[in-house]
Amino acid sequence: TQLLEQSPQFLSIQEGENLTVYCNSSSVFSSLQWYRQEPGEGPVLLVTVVTGGEVKKLKRLTFQFGDARKDSSLHITAAQPGDTGLYLCAGDPITSGTYKYIFGTGTRLKVLA
Amino acid sequence: EPEVTQTPSHQVTQMGQEVILRCVPISNHLYFYWYRQILGQKVEFLVSFYNNEISEKSEIFDDQFSVERPDGSNFTLKIRSTKLEDSAMYFCASSPNSEAFFGQGTRLTVV
Repeated sequence: TQLLEQSPQFLSIQEGENLTVYCNSSSVFSSLQWYRQEPGEGPVLLVTVVTGGEVKKLKRLTFQFGDARKDSSLHITAAQPGDTGLYLCAGDPITSGTYKYIFGTGTRLKVLA
Repeated sequence: EPEVTQTPSHQVTQMGQEVILRCVPISNHLYFYWYRQILGQKVEFLVSFYNNEISEKSEIFDDQFSVERPDGSNFTLKIRSTKLEDSAMYFCASSPNSEAFFGQGTRLTVV
């Protein structure tokens, strides 16, 4: 069974602070996605990383895929209240014969003004 | 911008009844998925669908569940004889390749 563990589960920080969210597994993934989910809504795709060691930036968000494609991190610089939400990683296991996304446990972020 | 649309947004049904959740994937996508999220829990994979057949399904997707692409645009999830524990948000997703885009979900409440 492929599992994606995210840490921390909950994070409450002040506006302007930096933070990093981790997504770890013992399984290898063909690709890994990061999503953000608001209450009562579907996950919204932020980024997809495919190559081991890949780094992608989306404004103040930096995403990195581990060299072995087993883990990933999301770093937010100068967090703002608008960044508040549930952040989910989802990986497509390399052992899967088709595209299939296993979701992580989620990190709930709250940024205080 | 193209998006995945799901109907209804909220469905209340009595235990034992059948429900059909509907999805219109993004038009040029080839892969379709159903996920569910029980309140307060993680998003769980149910099934993936490609080339008019199921390509992979989870342990959750038992004989109670079925999927269909009845025409060129719709993708449906049928739950036969619903149980209380089927209450959840059900998300449809589609992808052209490795990037999956999700709909807003259908909240299913079984009473």
